[in-house]
Amino acid sequence: DQQVKQNSPSLSVQEGRISILNCDYTNSMFDYFLWYKKYPAEGPTFLISISSIKDKNEDGRFTVFLNKSAKHLSLHIVPSQPGDSAVYFCAASSAGANNLFFGTGTRLTVIP
Amino acid sequence: NAGVTQTPKFRILKIGQSMTLQCTQDMNHNYMYWYRQDPGMGLKLIYYSVGAGITDKGEVPNGYNVSRSTTEDFPLRLELAAPSQTSVYFCASSDLLAGGYTQYFGPGTRLTVL
Repeated sequence: DQQVKQNSPSLSVQEGRISILNCDYTNSMFDYFLWYKKYPAEGPTFLISISSIKDKNEDGRFTVFLNKSAKHLSLHIVPSQPGDSAVYFCAASSAGANNLFFGTGTRLTVIP
Repeated sequence: NAGVTQTPKFRILKIGQSMTLQCTQDMNHNYMYWYRQDPGMGLKLIYYSVGAGITDKGEVPNGYNVSRSTTEDFPLRLELAAPSQTSVYFCASSDLLAGGYTQYFGPGTRLTVL
């Protein structure tokens, strides 16, 4: 049972435009959400996170939005750059849990 | 500060062979994890450890064993390799006891079982 879902396996965006990656979750106990970025032949690297007490968190070009009522979060990248081309994983956890639950990933391609 | 290191980077095994995937972290993190990632899939938790001497099963533990004798090391053992264990394996660590949900990953080990 996939508790964290990324329904778009891939996304292509022109350089300079906005990239929006989406993630849905089913477990209402999740209270912490993270985005990871993964390049080929490398491990995932942490990008940005958000606690359920917030609905937005921003770090430079990256902003994560959380809609708890819809059990939905999104990652916005503005402006998109070719170096952003990677697979992006959404992950979630809850207080007292010992691990993260990952989505299946979205491959972002930023076209120069 | 090397973070999380994994060896080997690549390995080909024959069915029935055994091997140990090594993982070491130098961040003094209490929590360590092993995941596998199959093509087109997310990361699935195999085993995790909350500290030296304490391990527990994750979502897909069958066919694997772990041990945690030190804070730094968390090896993953495959006893009788099967083609279904062909995957990329990632080790990770976190400072969860300090409230840190963020996990830091190693570069991965690509394993093929033929």
